Amino acid sequence: ETGVTQSPTHLIKTRGQQVTLRCSSQSGHNTVSWYQQALGQGPQFIFQYYREEENGRGNFPPRFSGLQFPNYSSELNVNALELDDSALYLCASSLTSGVTDTQYFGPGTRLTVL
Amino acid sequence: AQSVTQPDIHITVSEGASLELRCNYSYGATPYLFWYVQSPGQGLQLLLKYFSGDTLVQGIKGFEAEFKRSQSSFNLRKPSVHWSDAAEYFCAVGAFSGTYKYIFGTGTRLKVLA
Repeated sequence: ETGVTQSPTHLIKTRGQQVTLRCSSQSGHNTVSWYQQALGQGPQFIFQYYREEENGRGNFPPRFSGLQFPNYSSELNVNALELDDSALYLCASSLTSGVTDTQYFGPGTRLTVL
Repeated sequence: AQSVTQPDIHITVSEGASLELRCNYSYGATPYLFWYVQSPGQGLQLLLKYFSGDTLVQGIKGFEAEFKRSQSSFNLRKPSVHWSDAAEYFCAVGAFSGTYKYIFGTGTRLKVLA
């Protein structure tokens, strides 16, 4: 059984560009959540997808958007990148969307915005 | 508003010594509480979780945590620390307020002296 994988590992973009990050959920999991972890901070909840629908959202602007595909893999898209978007982006999958379900995290994508 | 506070940014203990990491939360209803560990370059791994019932929760790697409603605390403990426990530890609360949300503290970095 493979765990949660994310690609790419590292990414460098310039301000104003757009970026797409990818996540493959653990086998059998239909829910994926995305987090932003700035340096020295805890992860901040961006949003959650359950069966291809957004199921919850944190305090992030609309330029942060996502997709979940029928195979439950997921994308995080960020438009009009800002310097403050530099962070580690983590995705986590869980068996269902319940808040009590254990989330299994991927290793993250390190995004640097210049 | 929901929040999680980890008052200790850094903690240093000697190998074999006991450990307690503090976590305080603010949440109006019964909280769902979690402790995660993050090693360098790794995603987060769940150590333990509390939803209801016995307020002393056992987790992996010899960790335990105690939920104290009167103090709004969920402190993590380990009787004897190993060098491999050096990592960053995050306390989190799972909340439902119209939508699902997970709120993490800012983390405590643990250093273990040989």
